[in-house]
Amino acid sequence: GQSLEQPSEVTAVEGAIVQINCTYQTSGFYGLSWYQQHDGGAPTFLSYNGLDGLEEKGRFSSFLSRSKGYSYLLLKELQMKDSASYLCAVNSNDYKLSFGAGTTVTVRA
Amino acid sequence: IAGITQAPTSQILAAGRRMTLRCTQDMRHNAMYWYRQDLGLGLRLIHYSNTAGTTGKGEVPDGYSVSRANTDDFPLTLASAVPSQTSVYFCASSDSPGGRNEQFFGPGTRLTVL
Repeated sequence: GQSLEQPSEVTAVEGAIVQINCTYQTSGFYGLSWYQQHDGGAPTFLSYNGLDGLEEKGRFSSFLSRSKGYSYLLLKELQMKDSASYLCAVNSNDYKLSFGAGTTVTVRA
Repeated sequence: IAGITQAPTSQILAAGRRMTLRCTQDMRHNAMYWYRQDLGLGLRLIHYSNTAGTTGKGEVPDGYSVSRANTDDFPLTLASAVPSQTSVYFCASSDSPGGRNEQFFGPGTRLTVL
């Protein structure tokens, strides 16, 4: 089975940097993805890490350590529109995604 | 159609009634998925299909059934709805069931069972 843990909420001010951690225990690990979900909306894909290390995509970066069962999503230069829920998801080798409960990020002016 | 559509947008249903949630994608993706999302529990996989003609059970399949007669459509049926099936249901698709498996989600169906 899969088990993912992430903090329930984080608050930060505009322009700041926020790190959202995700720890996981899983069998058949293939990679880890991050999704963004605005209130009432559908999740949208942000990033994927299949190997250890940092993947950078504009203001968003994601890091993976497979040996530690740990990932984080880094949001830089926070903007009001970044207020959303961020979901980590384990890609397993049986072709499924298992999602964490999500971290709600609130950006304050 | 662009992407994934779901119908209805929302529905209030009496317990014991049968209900089919519709999902259609126009991206010719092989894999499709149904999730439910409940407060504090995140997205949980109900059923999935890696290619037309095949389906599989996810984490919470009881009380639900699916079919995949063609590439584009993946309906989810509640044979006899119960209040615990009150949830937001998301359909998703991906062009490959393996690898990074980037999934594209529909707008969701908000279902209330009374």
